[in-house]
Amino acid sequence: DSGVTQTPKHLITATGQRVTLRCSPRSGDLSVYWYQQSLDQGLQFLIQYYNGEERAKGNILERFSAQQFPDLHSELNLSSLELGDSALYFCASSPPGQSSYNEQFFGPGTRLTVL
Amino acid sequence: GQSLEQPSEVTAVEGAIVQINCTYQTSGFYGLSWYQQHDGGAPTFLSYNALDGLEETGRFSSFLSRSDSYGYLLLQELQMKDSASYFCAVGGDQLIWGAGTKLIIKP
Repeated sequence: DSGVTQTPKHLITATGQRVTLRCSPRSGDLSVYWYQQSLDQGLQFLIQYYNGEERAKGNILERFSAQQFPDLHSELNLSSLELGDSALYFCASSPPGQSSYNEQFFGPGTRLTVL
Repeated sequence: GQSLEQPSEVTAVEGAIVQINCTYQTSGFYGLSWYQQHDGGAPTFLSYNALDGLEETGRFSSFLSRSDSYGYLLLQELQMKDSASYFCAVGGDQLIWGAGTKLIIKP
């Protein structure tokens, strides 16, 4: 158990819908990262937040957005869902400190299925 | 540009030694990390090299050569439970991930 929690574990929805994925980082960690992993693919970095502020942006679609709240939990919002958005979505956290993003602790993931 | 290259698949025999290579090209460099991911599971951190040389953690070792922009993960005394995907990730301006290497272990 990494200490990072994600809810829900599974999500099934229809095309065109909007969903929200939630992540709570490990105690003391200030950074939260979101990743997308499609079937048998690598990890696609989406976005990073550090202490409530956006720190880095990867291949995140305009239909997707995220935020980190004062209690440091984060939410990833996916809208106008398409079949191709079906994937595992991971959240990870890392402790404060320069280059600490090199050691990230991953949550169990949310499996999103878009029908 | 920024890129990482690692083999897509490696096959080895139980009890043997296997090396998974990773070459990178990034703007800025802080270090090379390795993660393990079992099918359906979450990635777990294995090791991090910021300086040249070999880091050993039990059966796993990781090597870095910054001058060659190259690193590898060495797994010794392979066990069936080591069957997984292994990702290298390079820390520069942000963390860049390789596509992963699927390690298949045969009895």
